[in-house]
Amino acid sequence: DQQVKQNSPSLSVQEGRISILNCDYTNSMFDYFLWYKKYPAEGPTFLISISSIKDKNEDGRFTVFLNKSAKHLSLHIVPSQPGDSAVYFCAASGTDTDKLIFGTGTRLQVFP
Amino acid sequence: DSGVTQTPKHLITATGQRVTLRCSPRSGDLSVYWYQQSLDQGLQFLIQYYNGEERAKGNILERFSAQQFPDLHSELNLSSLELGDSALYFCASSVQGQGNTEAFFGQGTRLTVV
Repeated sequence: DQQVKQNSPSLSVQEGRISILNCDYTNSMFDYFLWYKKYPAEGPTFLISISSIKDKNEDGRFTVFLNKSAKHLSLHIVPSQPGDSAVYFCAASGTDTDKLIFGTGTRLQVFP
Repeated sequence: DSGVTQTPKHLITATGQRVTLRCSPRSGDLSVYWYQQSLDQGLQFLIQYYNGEERAKGNILERFSAQQFPDLHSELNLSSLELGDSALYFCASSVQGQGNTEAFFGQGTRLTVV
C-alpha cells in the first residue's frame, strides 16, 4: 500500500524554466510533508518542508504548495538550474506515526 | 555533510552470510531510522529507534534486526542474506522521535550479495 505517490518517474526541464514536481498521499493523518533531493551515491538531503496548517512555504528558489482537500503537494523550482538535476523524494509523517513515509521519487533533469 | 555517519560504505558478501551495518547519528539526535532502497525504488522504511527503544517498525524482514546502543549509535543486522537483499541501506537521525521534524541521512551502505 503506497501511502505517498509520485506518479511521474522523470521530468525534463530547460534551464531557467520552472520545474514542478508532484506528490499525492492517501493517509489523512499525515500532517507534515517534506521534500528531499538525492544525488547518485549520496544520501537524501532535506530540501524544504510544510506543515498541514499552511498551504505554502517558500525558501529561495523552492516553494512547496499543499492542497489538503486534494491530498496533493507540489514542489516548484524557479528558475531551474543544471545543478538541480537529481532525484526528488516526497515524504510525509503524522502525529500517529514517527516514521517518514517516502514516495518513489521523480528524476529531474535540467538541460541547458 | 549531514553529520550522520554510516559504515561501511560498500559491502560485498555471499548468500547465506550475516552482516552488520553501523550508524552514528548527528550529535544530539535521539532518533535513528533505517531505510532500504533497492534498485530504482523508493526509500522503504525498515525500523526506528528512539533513545534506545524501538519506536516504529516497517516492512522489516524477520532475518533483519536492529538495535540502538546507550551511546545512541545503531546497528542493522542482516542475516541469511539473499540476492534480493542487495540494496542501499540508509540511516537517518532526528532530534526527536515524533513527527513534524526533518530527518538527516547518512551516505548509505551499498550491500551487494553474490
